[in-house]
Amino acid sequence: DAKTTQPPSMDCAEGRAANLPCNHSTISGNEYVYWYRQIHSQGPQYIIHGLKNNETNEMASLIITEDRKSSTLILPHATLRDTAVYYCIVRVAGTASKLTFGTGTRLQVTL
Amino acid sequence: DSGVTQTPKHLITATGQRVTLRCSPRSGDLSVYWYQQSLDQGLQFLIQYYNGEERAKGNILERFSAQQFPDLHSELNLSSLELGDSALYFCASSVAVDTGYTFGSGTRLTVV
Repeated sequence: DAKTTQPPSMDCAEGRAANLPCNHSTISGNEYVYWYRQIHSQGPQYIIHGLKNNETNEMASLIITEDRKSSTLILPHATLRDTAVYYCIVRVAGTASKLTFGTGTRLQVTL
Repeated sequence: DSGVTQTPKHLITATGQRVTLRCSPRSGDLSVYWYQQSLDQGLQFLIQYYNGEERAKGNILERFSAQQFPDLHSELNLSSLELGDSALYFCASSVAVDTGYTFGSGTRLTVV
């Protein structure tokens, strides 16, 4: 699986959009981009995933660049409950293969 | 409630002992994954089972073993426990296609 690079930490004011970047310059054509988050010591929570098109769900939006070498997770209106470690992961499509977690981005949402 | 059930939630045991952690996947999910997260460490993949068969192995110690039963629940057995085995152990499940994993709330193991 391709490796990813994320900033170690970010801050965001409550109510503002949180934009979390991820670099995956060695991604292969059959690899999806997944985002998960872990709030304190809870089990990681799936957020969203995509292959090449932008995706949106009730939690977030995922913007993937045209060359697929980077992506951005957008939390449109961050709240204090969004404070967590966010993980960007790439994984081969068409399998139930393991997810390899990196160190992620620690997002701190403040008042 | 994520649908993935892990028991027990907390476990305190002495060095040298053996423990068994249990995971019930979401209904219909055939794959089960085990992860270890030590204090201030990342999530380390241990092992994956798919429909009763071992599918992939990660950084799992020889003192650790796992299995998935016909009803698809899984058990992670940790033996000859050491202080360094103290960690959160997470189980996740998924269906056989490209969907996200669903994680359980974990078992916190403390070895004293």
